[in-house]
Amino acid sequence: KAGVTQTPRYLIKTRGQQVTLSCSPISGHRSVSWYQQTPGQGLQFLFEYFSETQRNKGNFPGRFSGRQFSNSRSEMNVSTLELGDSALYLCASSLETVNSPLHFGNGTRLTVT
Amino acid sequence: SQQGEEDPQALSIQEGENATMNCSYKTSINNLQWYRQNSGRGLVHLILIRSNEREKHSGRLRVTLDTSKKSSSLLITASRAADTASYFCRYAGNNRKLIWGLGTSLAVNP
Repeated sequence: KAGVTQTPRYLIKTRGQQVTLSCSPISGHRSVSWYQQTPGQGLQFLFEYFSETQRNKGNFPGRFSGRQFSNSRSEMNVSTLELGDSALYLCASSLETVNSPLHFGNGTRLTVT
Repeated sequence: SQQGEEDPQALSIQEGENATMNCSYKTSINNLQWYRQNSGRGLVHLILIRSNEREKHSGRLRVTLDTSKKSSSLLITASRAADTASYFCRYAGNNRKLIWGLGTSLAVNP
């Protein structure tokens, strides 16, 4: 089976711009979750989607949004980028949220200048 | 934000030695999982231990769970340079909220 694929791998944006990141889960996985990882804050949960519905959401401002399509592929969007949004954004898929292992992509490294 | 606690934050050992890292949590859990992250890449699932299990093995990895102390430990035996990575624990707290530890950074020196 192909693993979780995240695109793009690297991204450089300017403050105020918006960005869309993409995640293709492992075939058959219906749960997709997103995380932000920075050196200072560690792994922070953004949101989780299951069968196109947002099931859980972390403590991030409304500038961070996401969606999941009928084929389980997911996108996350960050609007009005700030310098502090520079981070590694990780996507993970699983069969189910709580009891199944997460399978991670290699992430998108976003740099905001 | 809620986060589990892991200790130590950083660990440096020589190849061949054992490495032990710990994860403390505050709520009742259904299971606890350990993950490894190599520099700048995605996390890889290592072991899942359920709340009714006390110990689990996978190759050179041994995970224990003490629900009375609300803690888990990950032991890596006969460490190798390739084990150099950050190790995270993850568990589901109240309301299915998933909580991650801040991680232990392990350096195995050849």
